[in-house]
Amino acid sequence: GENVGLHLPTLSVQEGDNSIINCAYSNSASDYFIWYKQESGKGPQFIIDIRSNMDKRQGQRVTVLLNKTVKHLSLQIAATQPGDSAVYFCAELSGNTPLVFGKGTRLSVIA
Amino acid sequence: NAGVTQTPKFRILKIGQSMTLQCAQDMNHNYMYWYRQDPGMGLKLIYYSVGAGITDKGEVPNGYNVSRSTTEDFPLRLELAAPSQTSVYFCASGGNTIYFGEGSWLTVV
Repeated sequence: GENVGLHLPTLSVQEGDNSIINCAYSNSASDYFIWYKQESGKGPQFIIDIRSNMDKRQGQRVTVLLNKTVKHLSLQIAATQPGDSAVYFCAELSGNTPLVFGKGTRLSVIA
Repeated sequence: NAGVTQTPKFRILKIGQSMTLQCAQDMNHNYMYWYRQDPGMGLKLIYYSVGAGITDKGEVPNGYNVSRSTTEDFPLRLELAAPSQTSVYFCASGGNTIYFGEGSWLTVV
């Protein structure tokens, strides 16, 4: 089947630095991508999304970049804070098929 | 706003027992989903529904059943609980943006 995966399973970042979490996808028909944040003991929370007709979208302290040529998605977090410590999942949608999640990257912020 | 509500939060089952995980959403979403998440892993789709009366299998449907008699409710049933079903279960609803419940921690012993 199609695969949504992550390059780095864990990431440690110094507080105040920028974080970059990467994701690879293999379904070229995917037209919508989402980043979720999951804190310990909680359900995933929507962070930011991007459609396939865009290559960049910015939110508050977060930016998602989409490179369709190499099927790569990244989440950039500016000025990483301790509250950003969580597992981050990318997910993709293709037409009416259900959301497919990657394995996740654990972000640890070092104070 | 309640969003997606799951019950129970925690449950311990004996092998062979049956139970139903309840899920309700108040956002009038047509799409609803059940995922399971094993420790340190991502989410795997069990079943989903595109509207009342319609359900479809996901990636790991074996050992589970669902029903969707109303738009609001999407219960997940385990008929004969097995240790392999020990996991955290998340219900979700939505279209492009999917909202998750807080999870149900299930242990089968």
